[in-house]
Amino acid sequence: NAGVTQTPKFRVLKTGQSMTLLCAQDMNHEYMYWYRQDPGMGLRLIHYSVGEGTTAKGEVPDGYNVSRLKKQNFLLGLESAAPSQTSVYFCASSYSIGTLNQPQHFGDGTRLSIL
Amino acid sequence: GENVEQHPSTLSVQEGDSAVIKCTYSDSASNYFPWYKQELGKRPQLIIDIRSNVGEKKDQRIAVTLNKTAKHFSLHITETQPEDSAVYFCAASIWGGSEKLVFGKGTKLTVNP
Repeated sequence: NAGVTQTPKFRVLKTGQSMTLLCAQDMNHEYMYWYRQDPGMGLRLIHYSVGEGTTAKGEVPDGYNVSRLKKQNFLLGLESAAPSQTSVYFCASSYSIGTLNQPQHFGDGTRLSIL
Repeated sequence: GENVEQHPSTLSVQEGDSAVIKCTYSDSASNYFPWYKQELGKRPQLIIDIRSNVGEKKDQRIAVTLNKTAKHFSLHITETQPEDSAVYFCAASIWGGSEKLVFGKGTKLTVNP
């Protein structure tokens, strides 16, 4: 049982390049999230999904797109990378039980540098 | 929108002392408050959480208290050990759905041997 797996772990891009970060979870969780973590800023929500085929914007969605074609996978895309998107990206997932929040489980993160 | 303030941003204690981290939230409808520990270069990991129908919760050396009237909650670590050194994040749920959290900016705790 791997939990939440993020691919890749590290990546260096040039400004204007595109890439996709992959998140996979094997816990049959309904909810999935993408956060970015910058020094002194905590974890900020980029996009999230409440189920297969659904996505929604979080706090800092600009410059990112997401897709959830399968329940276990949540993809984060950068169409034209900018230096301001240099960050550590974390994926998380959780169960859905009525209206009760459930703990979010995090992946190991992807360290992304944009030159 | 929901805002979570966390204090202090850094905290240094001697081994064996207690550590307290405080968070305040703005949305009175928030009803779930988790705490995460993040060691350097690692993923955030849930250490304890509390729901709005409970005032206090304990798990060995860790406890969380919640004051709904004042809209603040605190993490208490007793008998601190060097392995408690990490960054701690509080979070609060966002009204309107069960699916989102807003995180504080974190507290870097250092436990000196």
